Amino acid sequence: DARVTQTPRHKVTEMGQEVTMRCQPILGHNTVFWYRQTMMQGLELLAYFRNRAPLDDSGMPKDRFSAEMPDATLATLKIQPSEPRDSAVYFCASVYGGNREQFFGPGTRLTVL
Amino acid sequence: SQQGEEDPQALSIQEGENATMNCSYKTSINNLQWYRQNSGRGLVHLILIRSNEREKHSGRLRVTLDTSKKSSSLLITASRAADTASYFCATDGTSGTYKYIFGTGTRLKVLA
Repeated sequence: DARVTQTPRHKVTEMGQEVTMRCQPILGHNTVFWYRQTMMQGLELLAYFRNRAPLDDSGMPKDRFSAEMPDATLATLKIQPSEPRDSAVYFCASVYGGNREQFFGPGTRLTVL
Repeated sequence: SQQGEEDPQALSIQEGENATMNCSYKTSINNLQWYRQNSGRGLVHLILIRSNEREKHSGRLRVTLDTSKKSSSLLITASRAADTASYFCATDGTSGTYKYIFGTGTRLKVLA
């Protein structure tokens, strides 16, 4: 049963610390998305990659956030330094080929104290 | 912004009843998708409808699209307690990218 996996599932950290979230897309999926979900803002697209190349990161605060795909099986989202307003659930999703159906991971719940 | 708005924000019905939720969006689209999110989980794709389609069915789901009104509706027939979840529409714009904007969601509660 192919699934998108995300680690860690939960992260509690203190303001100013670096946070790294990881995503393993479904094998063979070549488009990967990072989203952030909060009660106030809903689900926001932060960045997405196609064939490991960043296509759009306009939703991401550039001064503290960075997203990469070191290889086809791993996507990372880093926040440095983290702030309390970054507290949210971060989702990764992947898409196969030219399809549009997104497969979401279970999310990383981040709490910044 | 292109963000979709779902209506109602919350809906509570009895098991066996039909549930209808609506999505409005602001710009032209190539297609529109509906997703479900159970509490504490990731989103799950339900159905995609293209801009040249007016209606689509999948099991107990029926989706309509009215591009002239920039709106879509999702109908769940004969609802079950397991349908309790949040439902989101997502629109892509006509740029042909893979970028989707998700709406604010409808929280559906089905009472047994």
